Amino acid sequence: ELKVEQNPLFLSMQEGKNYTIYCNYSTTSDRLYWYRQDPGKSLESLFVLLSNGAVKQEGRLMASLDTKARLSTLHITAAVHDLSATYFCAVDGGGADGLTFGKGTHLIIQP
Amino acid sequence: KAGVTQTPRYLIKTRGQQVTLSCSPISGHRSVSWYQQTPGQGLQFLFEYFSETQRNKGNFPGRFSGRQFSNSRSEMNVSTLELGDSALYLCASSRGQGWQETQYFGPGTRLLVL
Repeated sequence: ELKVEQNPLFLSMQEGKNYTIYCNYSTTSDRLYWYRQDPGKSLESLFVLLSNGAVKQEGRLMASLDTKARLSTLHITAAVHDLSATYFCAVDGGGADGLTFGKGTHLIIQP
Repeated sequence: KAGVTQTPRYLIKTRGQQVTLSCSPISGHRSVSWYQQTPGQGLQFLFEYFSETQRNKGNFPGRFSGRQFSNSRSEMNVSTLELGDSALYLCASSRGQGWQETQYFGPGTRLLVL
């Protein structure tokens, strides 16, 4: 059974700082996804990572995938309050089970 | 371009009843995926449909079923509702199958089972 672990689960940080959210998974996969969810809202797709070494950037967010280490990172640069949200990673295990999600990282950015 | 729409947005049912939720994807998108979100279990994948065929199914009992129509609209049905089925049900559409492209999510249907 594929397991996806995110850490930290809760993160409070100040504006202007850098930080990284980690997503580890338990079986071989080269397909990993990052999503954002604002309180009471639906999900927004952030990044689709489809190969080892994939790196994608959008604004202050950058995601990377290391399939050998079974690890993806979501790096936040010079955080701003608008990035406060819950961030989820999800992995496609390649079987018929579809996507497996992490528990989410609840990020609060203080002015 | 219209986004993904889901109906109804809110629903209250009682145990033992059944419910049908609807999802209209973005025009031109042929893949629809469904997800359940609860405080206890988090986000869980339900099904993926592409061109009217179920491509993937999550680990849910047979009470959960779905289908996709020729216009790519999708429905999911939950029979014999249980209290634990109370959740936010999200659908997402994308152009291709297998989540290789960006998914666009609807606002969700919030189901409460009493």
